[in-house]
Amino acid sequence: DIQLTQSPASLSASVGDRVTITCRASQGIRDYLNWYQQKPGKAPKLVIYAASTLPIGVPSTFSGSGYGTGFTLTISSLQPEDIATYYCQQGFSIPTFGQGTRVE
Amino acid sequence: EVQLVESGGVLVKPGGSLRLSCAVSEFTFRNAWMSWVRQAPGKGLEWVGRIKTILDGGTTDYAGPVKGRFIISRDDSKNTLYLQMNSLKTEDTAVYYCTKHDPITYSYFDPWGQGTLVTVSS
Repeated sequence: DIQLTQSPASLSASVGDRVTITCRASQGIRDYLNWYQQKPGKAPKLVIYAASTLPIGVPSTFSGSGYGTGFTLTISSLQPEDIATYYCQQGFSIPTFGQGTRVE
Repeated sequence: EVQLVESGGVLVKPGGSLRLSCAVSEFTFRNAWMSWVRQAPGKGLEWVGRIKTILDGGTTDYAGPVKGRFIISRDDSKNTLYLQMNSLKTEDTAVYYCTKHDPITYSYFDPWGQGTLVTVSS
């Protein structure tokens, strides 16, 4: 199975801050990398797919980049509603998730 | 609005069995690959398994920890996905989510159900 390693495990930021989360794959996965936001007690929500594509309805403050083995999720200006745990997920082969990054 | 509604989560003893259901509305279920994803209390997301459409062979794939114990099936006439869980272990305790694969690359999940809690304990 392809392993995904996220960093950092958690971070503390203020409203308006730029936040960057990294996800590294154990082998090349082209651009089959997706990001989910999960708030406590809620189901995950897709925020980026295919490494850099924003689903309809996701604010433009979210962006993604990367290819191969290295990927980043960036929130350009953190808003209170962005406080959540973020997971990367690869869909190149049997799906796997990163361990999560808590943004507080 | 697309809706996925899981049900069937309860408290069950180790070694027991349980079947979860996921009722789907507002999209053509028979054309969708579907997956189950679980989340143990305080832990991250773990993919459990998936089922392809009947047109794609209706085949299933499973994560290592559940292979041979869990079975995913679908009833396209009822727009319902199932997860049969056998030989349950305490480490299977989790919220179980059903989710739909994207229809083009099958590589990401959207939308998700609200989840159903399975507790395995004596």
